[in-house]
Amino acid sequence: QVELQESGPGLVRPSETLSLTCTVSSGSISSSTHYWAWIRQSPGKGLEWIGNIYYIGTTYYTPSLKSRVTISVDTSKNQFSLKLSSVTAADTAIYYCARRRAIYGCIDVWGKGTTVAVSS
Amino acid sequence: DIVMTQSPLSLPVTPGEPASISCRSNQSLLHSNGFNYLDWYLQKPGQSPQLLIYVGSSRASGVPDRFSGSGSGTDFTLQISRVEAEDVGIYYCMQPLQIPYTFGQGTKLEIK
Repeated sequence: QVELQESGPGLVRPSETLSLTCTVSSGSISSSTHYWAWIRQSPGKGLEWIGNIYYIGTTYYTPSLKSRVTISVDTSKNQFSLKLSSVTAADTAIYYCARRRAIYGCIDVWGKGTTVAVSS
Repeated sequence: DIVMTQSPLSLPVTPGEPASISCRSNQSLLHSNGFNYLDWYLQKPGQSPQLLIYVGSSRASGVPDRFSGSGSGTDFTLQISRVEAEDVGIYYCMQPLQIPYTFGQGTKLEIK
């Protein structure tokens, strides 16, 4: 069973860049049948899709965050990453990495989530 | 963006009784492949969400058969035939049809 684990700083200063990594275990990130996604959850906005990436590097981002988001993949490390620039308090949330089926689009594996606070 | 609206937002249920949650979208979720792209997730307390139902009515692996999904187009329903204590949590619908993929506000199921 594939497992996902998020890692990265729990505190980021306003205007700086949030950086998280998701490590995929018990499975290959170079799967032709899945995308790899980032989703966040905050009390104010509920669950919010950030974007996803295919193992060859094709990305899709939610338009409202597109100017600030970069998702990348490192197949040699079986990891994918999220960078969110110019963060504000509104970016404080639990960030989940997840696996999405290419067919049907459902999210069949979620990481446990990591809390990121934006504060000076 | 496709807006997903769930009702009710709070659902107290007696164990053994049925429960039903509605999810409506402001655009059809019917894909050109004939499937409705609507998923249901359950987030148990302190956990990340888990997939229950995909493409409107297909149960995910390991999901008890007391959970069922129905609907098409813009109106969908999640039904639990007999609620158990372990079913408490927040239920979300989600559309993976059109970017940005969007979630409903969530329905909190609690045991009476």
